[in-house]
Amino acid sequence: DQQVKQNSPSLSVQEGRISILNCDYTNSMFDYFLWYKKYPAEGPTFLISISSIKDKNEDGRFTVFLNKSAKHLSLHIVPSQPGDSAVYFCAASGANAGKSTFGDGTTLTVKP
Amino acid sequence: EPEVTQTPSHQVTQMGQEVILRCVPISNHLYFYWYRQILGQKVEFLVSFYNNEISEKSEIFDDQFSVERPDGSNFTLKIRSTKLEDSAMYFCASRGIGRLYGYTFGSGTRLTVV
Repeated sequence: DQQVKQNSPSLSVQEGRISILNCDYTNSMFDYFLWYKKYPAEGPTFLISISSIKDKNEDGRFTVFLNKSAKHLSLHIVPSQPGDSAVYFCAASGANAGKSTFGDGTTLTVKP
Repeated sequence: EPEVTQTPSHQVTQMGQEVILRCVPISNHLYFYWYRQILGQKVEFLVSFYNNEISEKSEIFDDQFSVERPDGSNFTLKIRSTKLEDSAMYFCASRGIGRLYGYTFGSGTRLTVV
């Protein structure tokens, strides 16, 4: 039962363009959604989050959009930089549940 | 910036042996977690720990696994009798109050069972 899905295993974009990473979830009890970035041989690093009472949250070059009716969230990176190349995980947690459920990850490659 | 420290970075062990993976979470965090990632697979939840007890555990976290916070700073994961399929990266994470702030993960321990 894969409650959080990232259907694109990889994404390649040119430096300066927009990167859009997508995530779908099935559990309607999830109310917090988070994005993490992971470099090889390191642990995931928290990037940005959104609660279910919002549909957008922005932090610098990173914006997360939430569409609750579609159970879909996306991470936009504008403009993309080569240093953004990493594996991006979306994660979700439910009310009163501390644990997060992670998606499979999308490998983003930003080409100079 | 505060960080979560995990030791060792790599551990090789014989099948059937006990291993202890160590973590020092961020000092003012209250929630502690172990996750693992088998090579090429997703990051999987193992266990969460709050107020000196397990708050939630996954199906993976069977009787072979245990966690402790022996001295108020360290947070350990013990696997009593390792199996080949326990080979994975094990990540410790901690979190303060407020789920919007996400976890702070350690760099992980790569466990190889031979």
